[in-house]
Amino acid sequence: DTAVSQTPKYLVTQMGNDKSIKCEQNLGHDTMYWYKQDSKKFLKIMFSYNNKELIINETVPNRFSPKSPDKAHLNLHINSLELGDSAVYFCASSQGTEQFFGPGTRLTVL
Amino acid sequence: AQSVTQPDIHITVSEGASLELRCNYSYGATPYLFWYVQSPGQGLQLLLKYFSGDTLVQGIKGFEAEFKRSQSSFNLRKPSVHWSDAAEYFCAVGEPDDYKLSFGAGTTVTVRA
Repeated sequence: DTAVSQTPKYLVTQMGNDKSIKCEQNLGHDTMYWYKQDSKKFLKIMFSYNNKELIINETVPNRFSPKSPDKAHLNLHINSLELGDSAVYFCASSQGTEQFFGPGTRLTVL
Repeated sequence: AQSVTQPDIHITVSEGASLELRCNYSYGATPYLFWYVQSPGQGLQLLLKYFSGDTLVQGIKGFEAEFKRSQSSFNLRKPSVHWSDAAEYFCAVGEPDDYKLSFGAGTTVTVRA
């Protein structure tokens, strides 16, 4: 009964590749988020969608493109991966201010 | 814009001892305040939250936090830590009617036997 799930859990890829991370929530929440956690464990929001509409778009390279096919899903596609994209990416959802986080996807770019 | 400071990067505490983690925020009004815990290799789990009302809030796993407006602080406490409390702890602040949370840099807690 996972509330917020992400796939894959680990992703290792070469520089220049394109990859996607998927997120699904079964909480019935209207809002979903993507966060990046760097090697120093600092968490920074990247995007947020509310009812499939983009509402937060922080200063993120346009190589990162979120897509929300429906309220329960928010995927993150990354083009032309760079070494600096290596991080843990967390998906979250909320109905109100309290956010529920997924287990994270550890992306390693070689 | 709001910001969060967690002054302690790393705290080591003996099992059974008390624990206090500091959090200071910068925000004009009363923010929404949260403490999350991240166990190794895991996602973030909400420990407790403050929106309004009683300034001492109780959370899960025996944690509590106190909101002090005069000090712009929301410190987390536990009277007696267990080895399983070893984790990364994040303080976060949000604004009413805003979807964005700002996180502190985190405090790593190590528990020694």
